[in-house]
Amino acid sequence: QKEVEQDPGPLSVPEGAIVSLNCTYSNSAFQYFMWYRQYSRKGPELLMYTYSSGNKEDGRFTAQVDKSSKYISLFIRDSQPSDSATYLCAMNPDSWGKFQFGAGTQVVVTP
Amino acid sequence: DGGITQSPKYLFRKEGQNVTLSCEQNLNHDAMYWYRQDPGQGLRLIYYSQIVNDFQKGDIAEGYSVSREKKESFPLTVTSAQKNPTAFYLCASTLSPRGNTIYFGEGSWLTVV
Repeated sequence: QKEVEQDPGPLSVPEGAIVSLNCTYSNSAFQYFMWYRQYSRKGPELLMYTYSSGNKEDGRFTAQVDKSSKYISLFIRDSQPSDSATYLCAMNPDSWGKFQFGAGTQVVVTP
Repeated sequence: DGGITQSPKYLFRKEGQNVTLSCEQNLNHDAMYWYRQDPGQGLRLIYYSQIVNDFQKGDIAEGYSVSREKKESFPLTVTSAQKNPTAFYLCASTLSPRGNTIYFGEGSWLTVV
């Protein structure tokens, strides 16, 4: 079983809708949680970074962490066609070299 | 602008040849990493380096080699011993070895024919 599970999608939504993404994990030692956006044939770009449990908002993006359920989420409001990409979750137990990544969810926002 | 530069972006090689992928960063980050990305498998760690002249094997180091002679440079050599080298390779860095946010380069596509 993988340490981080992420539905590969594709997740197709109409423009303006809310995109809801999530990852589950098994290692309770994870403390730091990240979301990345990756366009086709490009490197991942950091979107959100969260420490421990709670919510964090940045513009149209909201990240949530529920450590009791080992579940993290990313919400994208007012989605745009430019949001079409693969979204990766990542986490770290505060021990270097030990980042774990989800396989990524492909999102398609249709005009 | 600070960032991580990988080159070349696309590389084609014949089976049995070694190939070296370049990674340079001007973020003044201490730690650097190499990942391999295959469809549906997420990112897998090949090698990582905490400081100059020191590096550690990751989960899939067989068939790869690295060096860290300068803080800003961490080249990866894909050797002929790597059984399935065709993949997307990502170089990354963190501010410190215990850095909690990892930043990526734009990646290098290697195709072995």
